[in-house]
Amino acid sequence: EVQLVESGGGLVQPGRSLRLSCAGSGFTFADYAVHWVRQTPGKGLEWVGGISWNSVSIGYADSVKGRFSISRDNAKNSLYLQMNSLRAEDSALYYCAKDIYNGFESWGQGTLVTVSS
Amino acid sequence: EIVMTQFPATLSVSPGERATLSCRASQSVSSNLAWYQQKRGQAPRLVIYGASSRATGVPARFSGRGSGTEFTLTISSLQSEDFAVYYCQQYNYWPITFGQGTRLEIK
Repeated sequence: EVQLVESGGGLVQPGRSLRLSCAGSGFTFADYAVHWVRQTPGKGLEWVGGISWNSVSIGYADSVKGRFSISRDNAKNSLYLQMNSLRAEDSALYYCAKDIYNGFESWGQGTLVTVSS
Repeated sequence: EIVMTQFPATLSVSPGERATLSCRASQSVSSNLAWYQQKRGQAPRLVIYGASSRATGVPARFSGRGSGTEFTLTISSLQSEDFAVYYCQQYNYWPITFGQGTRLEIK
């Protein structure tokens, strides 16, 4: 069974940093691109960024470019999101998702990030 | 950035009837369009990919059509479990973008 499990969320002050992790299992993690998607409670989905299977291609939404950084460790079946200079508007539920080159086939349950003083 | 516009924002339909949801892209995304279903408190679920292909386990009452800039998701005979929020997503270009969602509610 494909599983994606996010961790690392929590309460953080504006301007501080946080690192999210996503552990994949039940599939060959190294074969797939993976992405971060966030959702504010009661609102829609926003793509944060994604990384190709070999880390050659990495992309970000304009709203996080220059502040967030995505990386992966295929040996550990893990995806990371380093979030710096956090703002209140970054508060959201952060999902990781497996890309099958035709949409996001599998999603984790999300980890909640709250940016507040 | 490609802007995805979904309409209507809310659609009220009775169980057993047909529902048609629409999605428009600000420029062509070819057939690189997916639809997701999201129920309250759950992660999104892939329903349609490639504009018209059903994802694994998705019932045949779900169908997708379109290419370029205009897309539709049709649910032919609504079941109680189909009432949810539906999002379209283009993955033809990065940044990947989602529509704002259509809430499908029971009439």
